[in-house]
Amino acid sequence: AQKVTQAQTEISVVEKEDVTLDCVYETRDTTYYLFWYKQPPSGELVFLIRRNSFDEQNEISGRYSWNFQKSTSSFNFTITASQVVDSAVYFCALSAGRRGTYKYIFGTGTRLKVLA
Amino acid sequence: EADIYQTPRYLVIGTGKKITLECSQTMGHDKMYWYQQDPGMELHLIHYSYGVNSTEKGDLSSESTVSRIRTEHFPLTLESARPSHTSQYLCASSERSGNRAGEKLFFGSGTQLSVL
Repeated sequence: AQKVTQAQTEISVVEKEDVTLDCVYETRDTTYYLFWYKQPPSGELVFLIRRNSFDEQNEISGRYSWNFQKSTSSFNFTITASQVVDSAVYFCALSAGRRGTYKYIFGTGTRLKVLA
Repeated sequence: EADIYQTPRYLVIGTGKKITLECSQTMGHDKMYWYQQDPGMELHLIHYSYGVNSTEKGDLSSESTVSRIRTEHFPLTLESARPSHTSQYLCASSERSGNRAGEKLFFGSGTQLSVL
């Protein structure tokens, strides 16, 4: 069974605080991909990052960083010095499965509110 | 970057009406999807297509139907709308990659449907 759990439904922080969004996944496949998407109030989901199961290197992109740990099946997302424009719903996703039958599983999302 | 368009952006209709939600992409992507997003934010895959003349039902049962006559166009139709169909509908497409499990999704801005 494949599953993505985002236990944090909603998080509120004050601008400039750091915030970490948790993502825990389940899959029996050895090859899989993990993603984070951002859904601002305008509605469309925007791709942020993709990581494959063989690459456990953490990644930093500006104020965003991602921590992938296979040992704990987690792919957490940290925003440093948050800004009001970071307010959005963030989705973690897992793509796995055999060739031709890949499934894309989204978590339930975490709503982040950054207060000025 | 993403060129995927959904119309209308908002739609309020009465029960029993037939409606078509439009989705078009100009990226030449072969795979397209329809997701239904409930107020709790969770995304449910209701239809997808691998290419022209290919359509498949997703994980969530839906009374809607889709067609794929042209690569760039993937409309969703409800023959007789009901209040239970009230939701946000998101269209997406994915780029071709060597390993399809690693494809990232490009989303439209969605159609917010309200059936009275």
